[in-house]
Amino acid sequence: ILNVEQSPQSLHVQEGDSTNFTCSFPSSNFYALHWYRWETAKSPEALFVMTLNGDEKKKGRISATLNTKEGYSYLYIKGSQPEDSATYLCAPPQGGATNKLIFGTGTLLAVQP
Amino acid sequence: DTAVSQTPKYLVTQMGNDKSIKCEQNLGHDTMYWYKQDSKKFLKIMFSYNNKELIINETVPNRFSPKSPDKAHLNLHINSLELGDSAVYFCASSPRTGATEAFFGQGTRLTVV
Repeated sequence: ILNVEQSPQSLHVQEGDSTNFTCSFPSSNFYALHWYRWETAKSPEALFVMTLNGDEKKKGRISATLNTKEGYSYLYIKGSQPEDSATYLCAPPQGGATNKLIFGTGTLLAVQP
Repeated sequence: DTAVSQTPKYLVTQMGNDKSIKCEQNLGHDTMYWYKQDSKKFLKIMFSYNNKELIINETVPNRFSPKSPDKAHLNLHINSLELGDSAVYFCASSPRTGATEAFFGQGTRLTVV
């Protein structure tokens, strides 16, 4: 079973602050890394799927980077808004192509107006 | 138009009963999944089907049996329900296996009393 760690566990920021979280995963046999956003009482929503070392992806104010050699990914949110409040999950698939996602515990972000 | 839909959204039932949760996706995806959100809020994969064939079968009690009548549907049948089966169950689909994002249903909250 892959060991996926996310930090911090939770984060409280003020509206307009920029923030970032970390996902650590085993670097051996890397296949891909997924990031999901999960709002309370809703379902997880995919943000990014990253496969290449040095990948950097962006969606609006959210971006992510990937380092497969050292086994980590950063998710950045620029100018946080209250609607960004959610749990952010990373998930590398175990077993490669089967897409068997192993989710981390997530980082709970609360953005206060 | 909901992409991945699960029914029912809530299910309350007594111990020992048999129940089913249905999942349908209208995205034309080849791959479908069942995840369980456990008491610690982790999302853990249970099963995955690709083009109606079982490709992931995690260590779950054999009281849980998935059925995929066609690639747009993946139902979860649970026999002899136990208190510990109470959880939120999420269905998801992805275009194929490999590094592709998963689209989640809204979840089914199962409560066994």
